[in-house]
Amino acid sequence: EVQLMESGGGLVQPGGSLRLSCAASGFIFSSHDMHWVRQVPGKGLEWVSAIGTAGDTYYLGSVKGRFTISRESARNSLYLQMNSLRAGDTAVYYCAREGHGGGYAFDIWGQGTMVTVSS
Amino acid sequence: DIQMTQSPSSLSASVGDRVTITCRASQSISRYLNWYEQKPGKAPKLLIYAASSLQSGVPSRFSGSGSGTDFTLTISSLQPEDFATYYCQQTYDNPRTFGQGTKVEIK
Repeated sequence: EVQLMESGGGLVQPGGSLRLSCAASGFIFSSHDMHWVRQVPGKGLEWVSAIGTAGDTYYLGSVKGRFTISRESARNSLYLQMNSLRAGDTAVYYCAREGHGGGYAFDIWGQGTMVTVSS
Repeated sequence: DIQMTQSPSSLSASVGDRVTITCRASQSISRYLNWYEQKPGKAPKLLIYAASSLQSGVPSRFSGSGSGTDFTLTISSLQPEDFATYYCQQTYDNPRTFGQGTKVEIK
């Protein structure tokens, strides 16, 4: 079964750090671009970051310089290192696979992991 | 950044109704427009990619159209399981922005 599973969320103080992981299974991880998308509970979806198959990276402006996306094909894993966290980063974080079906759409999503930034 | 504007933000409809949701991009995005459905507490699910292509496994009552800046998601006959929030997303450029969502509620 094609699956993504996030982990690593939790409660962190403002200014703190957290590393999210996303474990992929059921597909050739190394052949897909991967993304992180977040959602404040009760609000809309916000794209955060992407990494291509060649390791090229892209970020939302408000997280550039604070978040780092990476991938490890040997472990079929995607990561998001989040530093200098702010209250505004509080959200459910989803990892998503960019499919090969056209339109660069996100065809597989994880269940999400909650990040709460609060003192 | 490309801004995506959906309308309406919410709507009430009955089972069997035809429902149309529109999405407008702040600049031309060709056909790089996708639609997702999200139910409470769940991850989004891809419905339509590249403006009008139906994702595998998605019922044929869902359809998409448009190109350039104006796009439409249509549900031909609303079913009980379709009450959810729908989002459009452009994948023409980074950041891959989403619309604010349209909540479809039971009338």
